[in-house]
Parts: sequence; structure tokens; C-alpha cells
Amino acid sequence: KQEVTQIPAALSVPEGENLVLNCSFTDSAIYNLQWFRQDPGKGLTSLLLIQSSQREQTSGRLNASLDKSSGRSTLYIAASQPGDSATYLCAVRGFQKLVFGTGTRLLVSP
Amino acid sequence: GAVVSQHPSWVICKSGTSVKIECRSLDFQATTMFWYRQFPKQSLMLMATSNEGSKATYEQGVEKDKFLINHASLTLSTLTVTSAHPEDSSFYICSARDVSGAYNEQFFGPGTRLTVL
Repeated sequence: KQEVTQIPAALSVPEGENLVLNCSFTDSAIYNLQWFRQDPGKGLTSLLLIQSSQREQTSGRLNASLDKSSGRSTLYIAASQPGDSATYLCAVRGFQKLVFGTGTRLLVSP
Repeated sequence: GAVVSQHPSWVICKSGTSVKIECRSLDFQATTMFWYRQFPKQSLMLMATSNEGSKATYEQGVEKDKFLINHASLTLSTLTVTSAHPEDSSFYICSARDVSGAYNEQFFGPGTRLTVL
């Protein structure tokens, strides 16, 4: 059974800092991995999707890497802003299902 | 990206009543849709996978007679919470898979907040 863990569970940083969110998964037989953002009381916004054959994806200030063999992914956020405050979820897709991680709650203070 | 809508966005009901939540893929056809629930400060848990024209597949521990899922068309799936109780209060999120896309990506609806009094 796939298990997805995210570290840290919560993170508070001042504006402008670069930061790294971590995601680990137990079963390396995956099709892809996605990073999502969720604002309080809202649905999910897809940030980046990395196929199993890819090593990283970039979108603006976000960069996600994938090391399938070690079961790890990182989300790098450059020059953080207060608007980045949200919960970040990683999700791993196996044969059929998308399994979500436990999430990292990020607070970026002005 | 593709758009998935949910209706209603929130609902409050009395204990014992049934509530129907709709999930629509607006600009693509979705042969497979997924229903998740999320409790406060927790992650999303898959409840069931809904395939167009066939019975839904429920995850272990999810009562199929309580959470009725119908996927009658390629753009619409519904979740009916029957005889709702306060413990069913949660945030329900649907997702639809765009099989025509390059990455077989899942797109998520905005969620429905259910409060059972």
C-alpha cells in the first residue's frame, strides 16, 4: 500500500526566503507525482506534475524534483511571498489511484 | 487546465436527510471521476472511483449504501449522502481524469462543504 509523507508538517518563514518542501513515498512504481496548493476552505490548485520518467519541472518560482528510485520529491519555492501561504500537498499516482501526502502548512510573513 | 465544477459549494442539512452533490467536467470528457473527503487539517482520502456507465468502486471502509455514486454521463457524476449524520460533516472534493490529455491528469473541483446538524 502506497504511503506518502510530507515534511515538515508546518513551516513559517519571513518573506523573501527560499524554501524546500519534502515528500516521500514508499512504493516507487508510480506513473507521476503532482504538487498541489490548497487555500483554507478551498479546493486544490495543481502546481506541477512530474512524469515518472522526468527528473524535474519548473513553473515560475516553483521547481519540483523527483527521485523515483529513492521515493522522494522536493518542491522548491524561490523568493517566498505572503501570497504563497497555503497548504501544499504532494500526490503520487499509481496504477489507478492518486494517493495524497499529509501536507505542509506554509505561512510566509511580511 | 481543464475545469471541474461542483454544486453546491456548501450545504447545511438536518440529520437524517439526504444530500446530493454534483461534479461536472466542463470542457472535457471524463470516463473516470473520483470522490474524496477531507476532514479539518487532514489530507484528502479517496472514497470511491466512479466509471461512466458502471458501478463505482469504493475504498475499504466506505459504505456504498450510504454514499451513493452515479456516473451517468461522461461529464457528470453525483454523490448522494443518504441519511446524513453529524459525523458525515466534511469537505467533499471530486476529481475528473482527462484521458485525452497528454498526461492522463486529474483535475479537481472546488469542493463542497457539508454540515449536518
